[in-house]
Amino acid sequence: GAVVSQHPSWVICKSGTSVKIECRSLDFQATTMFWYRQFPKQSLMLMATSNEGSKATYEQGVEKDKFLINHASLTLSTLTVTSAHPEDSSFYICSARVRSTDTQYFGPGTRLTVL
Amino acid sequence: SQKIEQNSEALNIQEGKTATLTCNYTNYSPAYLQWYRQDPGRGPVFLLLIRENEKEKRKERLKVTFDTTLKQSLFHITASQPADSATYLCALQYSSASKIIFGSGTRLSIRP
Repeated sequence: GAVVSQHPSWVICKSGTSVKIECRSLDFQATTMFWYRQFPKQSLMLMATSNEGSKATYEQGVEKDKFLINHASLTLSTLTVTSAHPEDSSFYICSARVRSTDTQYFGPGTRLTVL
Repeated sequence: SQKIEQNSEALNIQEGKTATLTCNYTNYSPAYLQWYRQDPGRGPVFLLLIRENEKEKRKERLKVTFDTTLKQSLFHITASQPADSATYLCALQYSSASKIIFGSGTRLSIRP
């Protein structure tokens, strides 16, 4: 099946720094990628939807200036958490939609810890 | 807004028994209802999708039912094994191109 990778798998940073997370579709082209956030024992919450070559669409309550999303190619999307704070500590998961079938495949997630 | 309730936060059953997980939703029925497995520290893995006009779907030891009158889906694992222990997420999708909305999950533990 289709594979989605994320890098890094975990990251620890100091408060106030910015962190970039990469999401790649390894063997397929993804016109649309999604970014989710999951707090402990909670559901995955969609943060934003990004289409290749255009601006991301953010869900209500998600600050677009804080969570910068770039979808520069059909196989790569990045999420940058700017000026991270401890409350941004969470598990960030991306998914990529296969153009031909609309099936979504999920990445393994990135654990962000902000000290 | 749509609410999805997986009404058991945790379920603990004996190996070999059938595990049954419940997913209830409010508002109108989705076009697709999906079930995922999520292991600790990992992303969700797709298991089964059932369409609005389907009553039941099977895949090996897994069975999903979809009752749009009750606004409920049941997820069954027969002949459960300790390796089936994980969190299972129910998710709704209103069209093939729309976003997926997840429930909070049921943590299933299968004891030997």
